[in-house]
Amino acid sequence: DADVTQTPRNRITKTGKRIMLECSQTKGHDRMYWYRQDPGLGLRLIYYSFDVKDINKGEISDGYSVSRQAQAKFSLSLESAIPNQTALYFCATSDSLSDTQYFGPGTRLTVL
Amino acid sequence: EDQVTQSPEALRLQEGESSSLNCSYTVSGLRGLFWYRQDPGKGPEFLFTLYSAGEEKEKERLKATLTKKESFLHITAPKPEDSATYLCAVQGGNTGFQKLVFGTGTRLLVSP
Repeated sequence: DADVTQTPRNRITKTGKRIMLECSQTKGHDRMYWYRQDPGLGLRLIYYSFDVKDINKGEISDGYSVSRQAQAKFSLSLESAIPNQTALYFCATSDSLSDTQYFGPGTRLTVL
Repeated sequence: EDQVTQSPEALRLQEGESSSLNCSYTVSGLRGLFWYRQDPGKGPEFLFTLYSAGEEKEKERLKATLTKKESFLHITAPKPEDSATYLCAVQGGNTGFQKLVFGTGTRLLVSP
């Protein structure tokens, strides 16, 4: 089984809809991250969390919110989706002893 | 501001034809340089972390090296299964959390 899982893997939605992307991990890591990837722009950090009570904004947090429901679960919400949020979204994890991040398989989100 | 530039954007090799991918970076206090492999439709897969100039790491046909301004990913006698996008990222700063800054990647295609 994969160490970091993301659901759904693909999602098509309409402008204005609320959508939630979910991430679960079995690596036992305390730190979790959400990134988006756009062609030609590389991976950019949306939010990160160092433990259940810790939530921090990344470089592109506008239009997004997150919830850390448990050490192993970190979800990303788009409150009112817009077309320029069409992208690949990745969850990642790391532990406090290492800066190395391990990525999930991604969610391809299309906002029409 | 930390920056990462990868070159070339795309590289086509024949099977067995060795070559190198370049990652040039500017960062205030390097904490780590990371190489990832990304297959189409999948999440980045961790390959190496390098921490200081002169450091080298190897894995199968891949060897990563680091200087004060750039890193190289050397691919020796590549096979078609090495075809992927290779991402470089840096983490700077001396204290606290610093986000990873990613390059846009090099797309490698190895033909039989």
